[in-house]
Amino acid sequence: EPEVTQTPSHQVTQMGQEVILRCVPISNHLYFYWYRQILGQKVEFLVSFYNNEISEKSEIFDDQFSVERPDGSNFTLKIRSTKLEDSAMYFCASSVFYEQYFGPGTRLTVT
Amino acid sequence: DQQVKQNSPSLSVQEGRISILNCDYTNSMFDYFLWYKKYPAEGPTFLISISSIKDKNEDGRFTVFLNKSAKHLSLHIVPSQPGDSAVYFCAASARETSGSRLTFGEGTQLTVNP
Repeated sequence: EPEVTQTPSHQVTQMGQEVILRCVPISNHLYFYWYRQILGQKVEFLVSFYNNEISEKSEIFDDQFSVERPDGSNFTLKIRSTKLEDSAMYFCASSVFYEQYFGPGTRLTVT
Repeated sequence: DQQVKQNSPSLSVQEGRISILNCDYTNSMFDYFLWYKKYPAEGPTFLISISSIKDKNEDGRFTVFLNKSAKHLSLHIVPSQPGDSAVYFCAASARETSGSRLTFGEGTQLTVNP
């Protein structure tokens, strides 16, 4: 069964460094998303992407964040200058219509 | 953000019995609802969904009920199995278009005892 994959599974970085989280969505899906879950909190929407542009973003998704689909398979989330509060699980998801399918997540630890 | 709320952080049931997980929402614009299951160190796994034009959707052991007037939905699992032990998230979407964001509840930890 097709699934969303994410790399790396765990990323440790120092505050102020740039990180890129990578995702390979399910191949026939059209919509792509990033969510995050800070430890002990809800899963929160960050951004959705369709037809090579951002279709919706949350107030969390500020100028420090960017997304890109550099080729036909990858979907990336870049955080330009990481802060301690960016430490979280980051989930990529994709969908054809309304049901979103999630990857296993990348645990980002900012020290 | 309390738009989607799961008031029970945990639920424990015996194998073979029914598990009922509850979810309330406040945003009247929500018109599509989903349940996800999550194991530790994994991403949420889609289980079942329901559109606001329906009041029930069934898939095998899983049934979701929607009460629009009460802004309440529930997930029934029957019979419950030990492998169902996981965190269950309710999520909602306002489907102006496909690709709308999901708003999640806090999750309910279900434990099914053998």
